[in-house]
Amino acid sequence: ERVMTQSPATLSVSPGERAALSCRASQSVGSNLAWYQQKPGQAPRLLIYRASTRATGIPARFSGSGSGTEFTLTISSLQSEDFAVYYCQQYNYWPLTFGGGTRVEIK
Amino acid sequence: QVQLVESGGGVVQPGRSLRLSCAASGFTFSSYGMHWVRQAPGKGLEWVAAISYDGSNKNYADSVKGRFTISRDNSKNTLYLEMNSLRVEDTAVYYCAKDQVAYGYSCDDWGHGTLVTVSS
Repeated sequence: ERVMTQSPATLSVSPGERAALSCRASQSVGSNLAWYQQKPGQAPRLLIYRASTRATGIPARFSGSGSGTEFTLTISSLQSEDFAVYYCQQYNYWPLTFGGGTRVEIK
Repeated sequence: QVQLVESGGGVVQPGRSLRLSCAASGFTFSSYGMHWVRQAPGKGLEWVAAISYDGSNKNYADSVKGRFTISRDNSKNTLYLEMNSLRVEDTAVYYCAKDQVAYGYSCDDWGHGTLVTVSS
């Protein structure tokens, strides 16, 4: 099983600032990496797939980068609605696996 | 627009069984793979199972293999999860999610989830 490790567990950021979230795979997953956003009481929402492709309707302030074992989700200028938990997921190998999540909170 | 509506959750004793359903609409159900993903209270996401567009391929998380069965009825636009030998640690909100393609990709649409509580 590919273990996905996200860091940091919690990120405190001021509105308007940039946030960079990290996701590391225990073995290469190529570019088959997705990022999801989840707000309290809501289902997850797909932000990024294929490591760097924004899903439909996702604002340009969200960007993804990386391949192999190291990935980054960058939010260029945090808006109030961006404070949430973010998960990465690899879909290169079965079983599919999620990272433990990064909570982005208001500083 | 895509709609995924889960049902069948509830409280069940350890060792018992439960079947979840997910009614899909707003897209050609028979063309896409489908997934179940769960989230224990206060915890992160855990992928549970996936099934290909035609039901011919299935995969499971190690934690549920041999106990859970994913299936689909394309004539009814419905996804199922049969859960047997339930354990306390299976307590979670179970989400139904649509694959972006025929099988084994990321999930671009999600239901609101159904809560399963395993307790004596």
